[in-house]
Amino acid sequence: DQQVKQNSPSLSVQEGRISILNCDYTNSMFDYFLWYKKYPAEGPTFLISISSIKDKNEDGRFTVFLNKSAKHLSLHIVPSQPGDSAVYFCAASIGNTPLVFGKGTRLSVIA
Amino acid sequence: DTAVSQTPKYLVTQMGNDKSIKCEQNLGHDTMYWYKQDSKKFLKIMFSYNNKELIINETVPNRFSPKSPDKAHLNLHINSLELGDSAVYFCASSQGQGWAQPQHFGDGTRLSIL
Repeated sequence: DQQVKQNSPSLSVQEGRISILNCDYTNSMFDYFLWYKKYPAEGPTFLISISSIKDKNEDGRFTVFLNKSAKHLSLHIVPSQPGDSAVYFCAASIGNTPLVFGKGTRLSVIA
Repeated sequence: DTAVSQTPKYLVTQMGNDKSIKCEQNLGHDTMYWYKQDSKKFLKIMFSYNNKELIINETVPNRFSPKSPDKAHLNLHINSLELGDSAVYFCASSQGQGWAQPQHFGDGTRLSIL
């Protein structure tokens, strides 16, 4: 049973445009969400996070939006750069229970 | 300087063998983890250690035995390897036990069982 779903396996965006990566979850008890980015042959690196008490968190070109009623979060990258091409994982946690990861979305930013 | 390093990067071995993967972090973190990324690409927690003490064991077969000699190291020993153990294994670390703390990952060990 996938509690965290990233329904788009891949996404292509032109350089300079906005990239929007989506994540849906089923468990309304999740209280913290994180995005990780992964390049080939490397481990995931932490990108940005959001607590369930907020609906938006911004860090430079990266913004995460949380819609609790829809159990949906999204990661916006503006403007997209070729170096953003990677697999993006959404992860969620409840208190002291382990992170649950989605399957990832492969973003390709085309120059 | 590599923050979380794991060795080897690749491991190819036969069914039934015993193998170990080593992990070291130089970030001064007190919590370390092992994750498995299977063929479906899900990253799943296997173990979590805090200050050398086992905190989480997510119903992993007892053929998998983690060992933490000190809080900078968390090694994973696997006995009697099976075909289903083929996966990429990631080590990670964080400061504190909270799952909201960003985790720093190693580059993974790709284990292939022949």
